[in-house]
Amino acid sequence: QQPVQSPQAVILREGEDAVINCSSSKALYSVHWYRQKHGEAPVFLMILLKGGEQKGHEKISASFNEKKQQSSLYLTASQLSYSGTYFCGTDIQGAQKLVFGQGTRLTINP
Amino acid sequence: DAGVIQSPRHEVTEMGQEVTLRCKPISGHNSLFWYRQTMMRGLELLIYFNNNVPIDDSGMPEDRFSAKMPNASFSTLKIQPSEPRDSAVYFCASSTGLFDRGRNSNQPQHFGDGTRLSIL
Repeated sequence: QQPVQSPQAVILREGEDAVINCSSSKALYSVHWYRQKHGEAPVFLMILLKGGEQKGHEKISASFNEKKQQSSLYLTASQLSYSGTYFCGTDIQGAQKLVFGQGTRLTINP
Repeated sequence: DAGVIQSPRHEVTEMGQEVTLRCKPISGHNSLFWYRQTMMRGLELLIYFNNNVPIDDSGMPEDRFSAKMPNASFSTLKIQPSEPRDSAVYFCASSTGLFDRGRNSNQPQHFGDGTRLSIL
């Protein structure tokens, strides 16, 4: 089952914050986050393992709520370079078989 | 360091022709994944290999699709015969596939630049 991401799209001004959510109907072993710019390949951001840990990458961090079967990606003080489509990939088996959400398109304006 | 290398970058061919996509994973990575991306269906896993062995091909759409990994540094995805609905961007990705506590999902997947396939 494909995870559901929300919102589908968001437009921000540079410096504003954003939260992208990823929800699954199945229990998760891990959640992967990737960013894809138009015409380019997805680029790895971070992996969250079950246990509710929070990870950070520059001004981008994420959390994983095992009970709620969801993960959230936090972008603080957004920069123009953060623009792109963000995908969560969920793994229910611990075997690297990822099912990706439909993506959240983030646009950062000056 | 060289990343995942895919060829060709673009392929345009007529319906019914055979199409072969190629992938060279990152050296030392022992897991390889083939994905297809379309606007309608998003990013879908087609098949993945671990140590050159196909582990899960449940995402392969039909018998027209086949994938091989003859050695640790090369994989192919073949479509024969091709159809217009096969038009998409095909990505190859690789990872270290290391096991940790009996699981190996905690490794990032590194994507190649993709092959944009158009079937006329």
